[in-house]
Amino acid sequence: LAKTTQPISMDSYEGQEVNITCSHNNIATNDYITWYQQFPSQGPRFIIQGYKTKVTNEVASLFIPADRKSSTLSLPRVSLSDTAVYYCLFNYSSASKIIFGSGTRLSIRP
Amino acid sequence: NAGVTQTPKFQVLKTGQSMTLQCAQDMNHEYMSWYRQDPGMGLRLIHYSVGAGITDQGEVPNGYNVSRSTTEDFPLRLLSAAPSQTSVYFCASSLRQGETYEQYFGPGTRLTVT
Repeated sequence: LAKTTQPISMDSYEGQEVNITCSHNNIATNDYITWYQQFPSQGPRFIIQGYKTKVTNEVASLFIPADRKSSTLSLPRVSLSDTAVYYCLFNYSSASKIIFGSGTRLSIRP
Repeated sequence: NAGVTQTPKFQVLKTGQSMTLQCAQDMNHEYMSWYRQDPGMGLRLIHYSVGAGITDQGEVPNGYNVSRSTTEDFPLRLLSAAPSQTSVYFCASSLRQGETYEQYFGPGTRLTVT
């Protein structure tokens, strides 16, 4: 099954840009890369999805290099409310079994 | 739309008891799934369904049953509760199974088995 590798935790400060990188060496040609955010005591929430190059929405940007073996979630000008766990997923296209890894616990300080 | 709803929010069971966790969605989504999340861990897939009448096992199916008699409902049954099943259970749905379909999660059920 698809496997991703992310840092266990990251710390940053309000107003900074935060980049979280995910490695997915065995990604398949048809797979998309998807990121979810989870606040304490809540279910995960979709943030962004991409296939290649760069995708941007009102919340984040997703950078995917040409070899697609990694991706970087970029959160511009974070605030305290961005403190959450961030999950990188793929194997979404074959999607019979969508797998969440352990995620990255992001802590934002004042 | 209420989205994905789960009941109950909290439940305490004794070892050996059975119960059903309820999940419903009002978005006419074909794909529904159940995950469990242990403290400090990621989510693990228990069972999923690609449509009414069709279910399949995920990563950790032992001790759980599911059925999907309607598009809206996807209950999860614990057959004989064990302390190892103490966890938070999340139900999710998406329009269809597959690559571009966003999953919507319910608020979770916190289960404690003593």
